[in-house]
Amino acid sequence: NAGVTQTPKFQVLKTGQSMTLQCAQDMNHEYMSWYRQDPGMGLRLIHYSVGAGITDQGEVPNGYNVSRSTTEDFPLRLLSAAPSQTSVYFCASSWGTGNQPQHFGDGTRLSIL
Amino acid sequence: TQLLEQSPQFLSIQEGENLTVYCNSSSVFSSLQWYRQEPGEGPVLLVTVVTGGEVKKLKRLTFQFGDARKDSSLHITAAQPGDTGLYLCAGTQGGSEKLVFGKGMKLTVNP
Repeated sequence: NAGVTQTPKFQVLKTGQSMTLQCAQDMNHEYMSWYRQDPGMGLRLIHYSVGAGITDQGEVPNGYNVSRSTTEDFPLRLLSAAPSQTSVYFCASSWGTGNQPQHFGDGTRLSIL
Repeated sequence: TQLLEQSPQFLSIQEGENLTVYCNSSSVFSSLQWYRQEPGEGPVLLVTVVTGGEVKKLKRLTFQFGDARKDSSLHITAAQPGDTGLYLCAGTQGGSEKLVFGKGMKLTVNP
């Protein structure tokens, strides 16, 4: 089983550029979420979705957009990249909601110059 | 303000030693999860605790949920180099759909 697949694994952007981080899961999970991980900060929730067509904000949503058109895919869009968005981004999925075991991808390492 | 405070943040010990890591909050959680993360990978679930006072064991790891469901601990007996990693606690509150994480405890076990 592929589980949760994130692409790309690494990306370097210039300030002001836009890009989309892809996340796909093959477990038919309803709940999907995006976190960013910075040194000494743990994981902080950006956006989450409880099912296709439904998204909501987490702790740090500013500068990011999401959509959920299918159960399998949950892309994260950076509208105008800023150096403060340099981070490692993790996508996760689960049955039910946040109180269920989360299955994480291997992350996307993003650098904004 | 961090909802879940983990301590210590860093720990470097010798193989065979015991250790305890704490996850504390002033808020009540409906459940707490513990994850371990290795460099270059995503976190992997170790255990979920849902009942106040609950104790769960996973080989040399013992997890406890506080009676008031505001805190949790992870105790590792006879640590091994393979235990090295970042240990994260995470929880949900009430009917919230959001899972929030602590900052983590970076453990290094030296041979």
